[in-house]
Amino acid sequence: EDKVVQSPLSLVVHEGDTVTLNCSYEVTNFRSLLWYKQEKKAPTFLFMLTSSGIEKKSGRLSSILDKKELFSILNITATQTGDSAIYLCAVTSGSRLTFGEGTQLTVNP
Amino acid sequence: NAGVTQTPKFRVLKTGQSMTLLCAQDMNHEYMYWYRQDPGMGLRLIHYSVGEGTTAKGEVPDGYNVSRLKKQNFLLGLESAAPSQTSVYFCASRKPGTSFNEQFFGPGTRLTVL
Repeated sequence: EDKVVQSPLSLVVHEGDTVTLNCSYEVTNFRSLLWYKQEKKAPTFLFMLTSSGIEKKSGRLSSILDKKELFSILNITATQTGDSAIYLCAVTSGSRLTFGEGTQLTVNP
Repeated sequence: NAGVTQTPKFRVLKTGQSMTLLCAQDMNHEYMYWYRQDPGMGLRLIHYSVGEGTTAKGEVPDGYNVSRLKKQNFLLGLESAAPSQTSVYFCASRKPGTSFNEQFFGPGTRLTVL
C-alpha cells in the first residue's frame, strides 16, 4: 500500500522565520512528487519533482527531492501571514495520486 | 470555460438518506477523480474513471458508488449516508498523457451527515 507521511503535522512561526516541511514516501512505481498549498478551498499546485537533487524554486518557496532516501522538503523563507495554509505532499504512481496528511502552517505577525 | 464544477456546494443529510454529488468538466478530460478530505488529513481517493463508461475503486471506496455515463460528468452516490461520510468532497480531472500538476480540482462539496 502506498504511503506518504508529512512532518510536522502543525507548525506555528513568526513572520520572517524560515520553515522546512518534510515529506517521506513509500510507493511502488514512483513517478513524481507534488506539493500543494490549501487555503480553505481546493489545493493549489506548487511544485512537481521527478529527479533527485534538482531544486525547484518559486519566489520564497523551494523544494528538493531525494529518491534514494525517499523524501522531499519544502522550504519557505521570510514567511508572511499569507503563507498560512495547509501544505500537502502527494506522490504519483500509475494513474493515482496519494496524499500525505498535510502540514498546517500558521504564520503570526 | 467553467473548468471543473461541483453540485451542490453544501448539503446536510440525515443518517440513512441518499444523495448524488455531481462533478462536471468542460475541458474534454478523460480522467476524473473523486476525493474526500477529513479534518487533519490529506485527500483520499474514493473512485476514479479513465474514460466514459469505466470506473475503478480508489483508496476508500466503501459506502460510495460512481457512474460515468457521459465523458463530462462523474457522479458520486451515497446510498445510505453515515456520519462517517461527513467530509469535504473534491472532484478533479485531467487529460491522459499529462502529469498530475495539470490536474484541475473542483471547488469542493461540504457534506454533513447527522
